[in-house]
Amino acid sequence: EAGVAQSPRYKIIEKRQSVAFWCNPISGHATLYWYQQILGQGPKLLIQFQNNGVVDDSQLPKDRFSAERLKGVDSTLKIQPAKLEDSAVYLCASSSGAYIGYTFGSGTRLTVV
Amino acid sequence: GENVGLHLPTLSVQEGDNSIINCAYSNSASDYFIWYKQESGKGPQFIIDIRSNMDKRQGQRVTVLLNKTVKHLSLQIAATQPGDSAVYFCAEYSSASKIIFGSGTRLSIRP
Repeated sequence: EAGVAQSPRYKIIEKRQSVAFWCNPISGHATLYWYQQILGQGPKLLIQFQNNGVVDDSQLPKDRFSAERLKGVDSTLKIQPAKLEDSAVYLCASSSGAYIGYTFGSGTRLTVV
Repeated sequence: GENVGLHLPTLSVQEGDNSIINCAYSNSASDYFIWYKQESGKGPQFIIDIRSNMDKRQGQRVTVLLNKTVKHLSLQIAATQPGDSAVYFCAEYSSASKIIFGSGTRLSIRP
């Protein structure tokens, strides 16, 4: 089974610029998650989708972050405008419903300079 | 440049010895407690879990212990190998179908 695909792998932008990350979950996984992992810390959940609906976005900084999963498959996470403290690895994960089926992608490393 | 895990606690173990990685958790209502392994440049990978009503669970070369009295979780790795070098995270799974990660520990292996 193919894993969770994310792109790009790396991105360097200047502060106040915009950036978007893409995630393709495992086929058939209804639940999709975006996590932010700041260096030296554990991943922090930003948003959880069930199909194309948002289940939990309580930790998403909505003034600058947005995410969508229009057709219930692929998802994009956008930051506009970026701040220095947004430098982190952005991980996408998908699940079949049970956490044992929770699979992470390799992430996108964002550096804001 | 930036170094992954620069501020993480580090455990250094001689190859072949046993490793014990500890974690304190806060949410007593979690259904499962989980250990993840994260290698450089990769996402977290599931290692082993334990249901909240259990005290101990064994896998292949790994054992997880849960002490609910003091809210403590540990991961024991037997006969540590170079391939075990990684950052290890404890995590909790709640009924809201999401995994919340705790603190990480970097495990390094001395030859």
